[in-house]
Amino acid sequence: GENVEQHPSTLSVQEGDSAVIKCTYSDSASNYFPWYKQELGKRPQLIIDIRSNVGEKKDQRIAVTLNKTAKHFSLHITETQPEDSAVYFCAATDALYTGANSKLTFGKGITLSVRP
Amino acid sequence: EAQVTQNPRYLITVTGKKLTVTCSQNMNHEYMSWYRQDPGLGLRQIYYSMNVEVTDKGDVPEGYKVSRKEKRNFPLILESPSPNQTSLYFCASSLMGQGSSPLHFGNGTRLTVT
Repeated sequence: GENVEQHPSTLSVQEGDSAVIKCTYSDSASNYFPWYKQELGKRPQLIIDIRSNVGEKKDQRIAVTLNKTAKHFSLHITETQPEDSAVYFCAATDALYTGANSKLTFGKGITLSVRP
Repeated sequence: EAQVTQNPRYLITVTGKKLTVTCSQNMNHEYMSWYRQDPGLGLRQIYYSMNVEVTDKGDVPEGYKVSRKEKRNFPLILESPSPNQTSLYFCASSLMGQGSSPLHFGNGTRLTVT
């Protein structure tokens, strides 16, 4: 089955700097890669996702890049702000084309701290 | 407002006392799922349901039961809770599939079993 790993487990950056969170996956059939943000005491919420036919996707200050050859994808946050402090979960699945029964596998999460 | 509603938010119980955590969604989603979140272990799937009367095991189903008698409801049942089931539980739903469409999470239920 799919194995998703996130590195590092914690990341601390200065406000205004960029943050990059990396995930690796094991199943080359995976084709959909969402990122979820979980603020302290809150529920996870989808912030961005990418499909395997796209190499990069941007949404304002966040972007996700995908390297299918190396089987890794990364979340990039520019001009970080204190409200970016949260746990970020990456996930992978082959459900996009293979059907509803495919499994979404989450990484263990990375805690991002943005220092004011 | 489109949402996934879990109840209760907090629950403290004793070993062996049956409990049910309710989950309801108002988005007419086909897919619903339960996760538990533990420090350092991320989100682990307990059970999921593709549609009414269709349920299947996730990664950590032992000690849990679910039912899907109606499309909107997906309760999580702990027949005989044990301390190792102390955790933060999330219900989630999506329009279709296991993550091929965005997951909408409930606000979580923090369960403590003593």
